[in-house]
Amino acid sequence: GAVVSQHPSWVICKSGTSVKIECRSLDFQATTMFWYRQFPKQSLMLMATSNEGSKATYEQGVEKDKFLINHASLTLSTLTVTSAHPEDSSFYICSARDWGGRDTQYFGPGTRLTVL
Amino acid sequence: AQTVTQSQPEMSVQEAETVTLSCTYDTSESDYYLFWYKQPPSRQMILVIRQEAYKQQNATENRFSVNFQKAAKSFSLKISDSQLGDAAMYFCAYRNYGGSQGNLIFGKGTKLSVKP
Repeated sequence: GAVVSQHPSWVICKSGTSVKIECRSLDFQATTMFWYRQFPKQSLMLMATSNEGSKATYEQGVEKDKFLINHASLTLSTLTVTSAHPEDSSFYICSARDWGGRDTQYFGPGTRLTVL
Repeated sequence: AQTVTQSQPEMSVQEAETVTLSCTYDTSESDYYLFWYKQPPSRQMILVIRQEAYKQQNATENRFSVNFQKAAKSFSLKISDSQLGDAAMYFCAYRNYGGSQGNLIFGKGTKLSVKP
């Protein structure tokens, strides 16, 4: 099956610093990737849709200047949390849409961000 | 706007028994996809089963099958011969057919416990 990797799996940072999370589709090309945030015992909340070579589309209420998304290639999208604060602590999950296969979204293993 | 509802926050099943998880959705579209994803304690989202709305035949993947009732907008998941490894959060998800984005709309999830 299609594989999506995410790095790092866990990061702890100080308040005010920036953190970059990478999402890679390993065995397929993904023109579209998605970034989700998940709070404990809750469902996934879509933050933004990332399209290769163009600007990301952010969901209402998501600050695009705080959550910078770059999708520079067909296999890599990055999410940068800028000037992180404790309220940004969460579990971030990416997914990639496999257009060429079964047109299904496959998910990365997630990144746990803790901001001190 | 499309919505997905999972009315069972928690379910429990005895090992080797059968359990059905409920999901209803609302849409005005005629073509769409429906999915069940599993999220075990590792928090890796795993695709369990996929159904295209234009197909009348219910999807089946080994011990997992769905009961897709398009007119009733119902999409339940049946797990047969339940195993301890089936314990997880299960999310029902909807996606419009085609389109350049294709983001998933998730239900709130059902936590499944499997008793030995």
